[in-house]
Amino acid sequence: NAGVMQNPRHLVRRRGQEARLRCSPMKGHSHVYWYRQLPEEGLKFMVYLQKENIIDESGMPKERFSAEFPKEGPSILRIQQVVRGDSAAYFCASSPPIGQGADTQYFGPGTRLTVL
Amino acid sequence: LAKTTQPISMDSYEGQEVNITCSHNNIATNDYITWYQQFPSQGPRFIIQGYKTKVTNEVASLFIPADRKSSTLSLPRVSLSDTAVYYCLVAQGGLTGGGNKLTFGTGTQLKVEL
Repeated sequence: NAGVMQNPRHLVRRRGQEARLRCSPMKGHSHVYWYRQLPEEGLKFMVYLQKENIIDESGMPKERFSAEFPKEGPSILRIQQVVRGDSAAYFCASSPPIGQGADTQYFGPGTRLTVL
Repeated sequence: LAKTTQPISMDSYEGQEVNITCSHNNIATNDYITWYQQFPSQGPRFIIQGYKTKVTNEVASLFIPADRKSSTLSLPRVSLSDTAVYYCLVAQGGLTGGGNKLTFGTGTQLKVEL
């Protein structure tokens, strides 16, 4: 059973460009979470999605950031007009449906975004 | 979400048992305690989860006293490869729990030496 997959693993963008980060959850998992980690810090929650629905986006910046988890395909975290402060590691996690251990999240390897 | 407090760092030697204690004074009735391990440049890896008393798996043991205001992760006979950051989290969970955002602190940096 493949784990959570994220791509790309490394992404370099210039200021003002767009960044798209992809996450494929573990097979059978219906919940996806995105976290951001700055150097020497713990992970910070950004958004929680189920298929086609955003459940909790309380950690998402109000502007430039968006996330989706379509019926088909991976979850996408999109950052428009990137700035240097967006440079960080972005981790995706997935968990099983409610009633099947939804409280345990399994993390992907992360995407390291560098904004020049 | 319950706030957790754990030591910033710990040092140990290969073959020793390491115990990392986490305080969570405001833990709620529905909260579970979960520990993750993170190596540099990798995502956190689930280690163990528990609600009360003792839980043991092939990697670690988790001790939770009756008042549940703290928990202790026990790593038996550590090796160099156990050098990592260990995070203690509390969140609503269990089979009836729904998806939840996890709140990570700065964790405990464990360094294992020869």
